[in-house]
Amino acid sequence: QSVLTQPPSASGIPGQRVTISCSGGSSKIDYSYINWYQQIPGTAPKLLIYRSNQRPSGVPDRFSGSNSGTSASLAISGLRSDDEGHYYCATWDDSLSGRVFGGGTKLTVL
Amino acid sequence: QVQLQESGPRLVKPSGTLSLTCDVSGGSISSNNWWSWVRQPPGKGLEWIGELHHSGSTNYNPSLRSRVTLLMDKSKNQFSLNLRSVTAADTAVYYCATYSVTYPGSEFWGQGTLVTISS
Repeated sequence: QSVLTQPPSASGIPGQRVTISCSGGSSKIDYSYINWYQQIPGTAPKLLIYRSNQRPSGVPDRFSGSNSGTSASLAISGLRSDDEGHYYCATWDDSLSGRVFGGGTKLTVL
Repeated sequence: QVQLQESGPRLVKPSGTLSLTCDVSGGSISSNNWWSWVRQPPGKGLEWIGELHHSGSTNYNPSLRSRVTLLMDKSKNQFSLNLRSVTAADTAVYYCATYSVTYPGSEFWGQGTLVTISS
């Protein structure tokens, strides 16, 4: 069972905006340091968002992140068919002294 | 652009030791990066194994700490993973990855290698 909780699935139609949440019970999680990853089947995870809302070079601005202090969210706007895949949140957990991943959310573009 | 490539046996017998190496190109393993291992059992999510820094610092997943050793070979610009006393539950795609301390958001992953634990 993951320290970070994500919905197992999400879906949307092309052009739509979808959001994926990430939350945990540990008081040692700093949600301003949440990373988001995209994993297309058969490939390695790719960093989409770091430090809650920062995009690495090359990541389209269709992808955005935010946090409320007690949870984090990834938003994907202008949904495309090639956005299909799994999305994972991750962060450092001081209580475990280690990195933790969410269980992942499978995104389906209908 | 840092490139990472995992190598090692794809089949390991139960109770044996899983050993993988990650070759680093396009960058120095002595840079201010954390060098890490992440695994993914077939059809499941990502699990962080641990990480090391050229300074000698290491961090391990508490659930794997007793069986894991991470090492770095600066002369070969590579780092390695040893996982002892493996069982079928250790069957997974193993990824090596790195992220910069100096430049947040600069992160690179290897393509991953499937290691199967079976007799």
